[in-house]
Amino acid sequence: DQQVKQNSPSLSVQEGRISILNCDYTNSMFDYFLWYKKYPAEGPTFLISISSIKDKNEDGRFTVFLNKSAKHLSLHIVPSQPGDSAVYFCAATRSYIPTFGRGTSLIVHP
Amino acid sequence: DAGVIQSPRHEVTEMGQEVTLRCKPISGHDYLFWYRQTMMRGLELLIYFNNNVPIDDSGMPEDRFSAKMPNASFSTLKIQPSEPRDSAVYFCASSFRGKAFFGQGTRLTVV
Repeated sequence: DQQVKQNSPSLSVQEGRISILNCDYTNSMFDYFLWYKKYPAEGPTFLISISSIKDKNEDGRFTVFLNKSAKHLSLHIVPSQPGDSAVYFCAATRSYIPTFGRGTSLIVHP
Repeated sequence: DAGVIQSPRHEVTEMGQEVTLRCKPISGHDYLFWYRQTMMRGLELLIYFNNNVPIDDSGMPEDRFSAKMPNASFSTLKIQPSEPRDSAVYFCASSFRGKAFFGQGTRLTVV
């Protein structure tokens, strides 16, 4: 039973355009949400996070949106760059314990 | 801080052998997690520790898997005996206040 779902295994975007990665969760007790980026042969690295008391957090080209009523969060990357090509994992946390989605592979074409 | 350090980076072993994966968490972090990444299941939580104490090992697939954290700076994940289906990338992560940092992972191949 997946509590955190990333329904798109892959996404292809043109350089300069917006990339939107989506994530759905089922447990309303999750209180902190994170996005991680993973390159091949490396561990996931923290990208951006958002507390459940907020609905938006922005860091440079990256913005995370949280819709608690829909139990949905998304990561927007604007503008997308070829170096953004990686697997993106969303994570939802309850009492400091993260549960991860299965990841979305983003490919940004030059 | 050098981040979370895992060793070895790669391990190839024969079925039936014992395998030990090692992890040094970031100093000051109070949680340590062991994850397994596979194509089928993504990042699967195996076990986690809080202040060196195992809290939840319900993700450990079988009794062949065990984990220890003898002190705040070291943890091991042991598989005995190993089987080909254990082949995967194993990640260790440590966290403070919910933000987890991952090691580079150990790619385990059991032949």
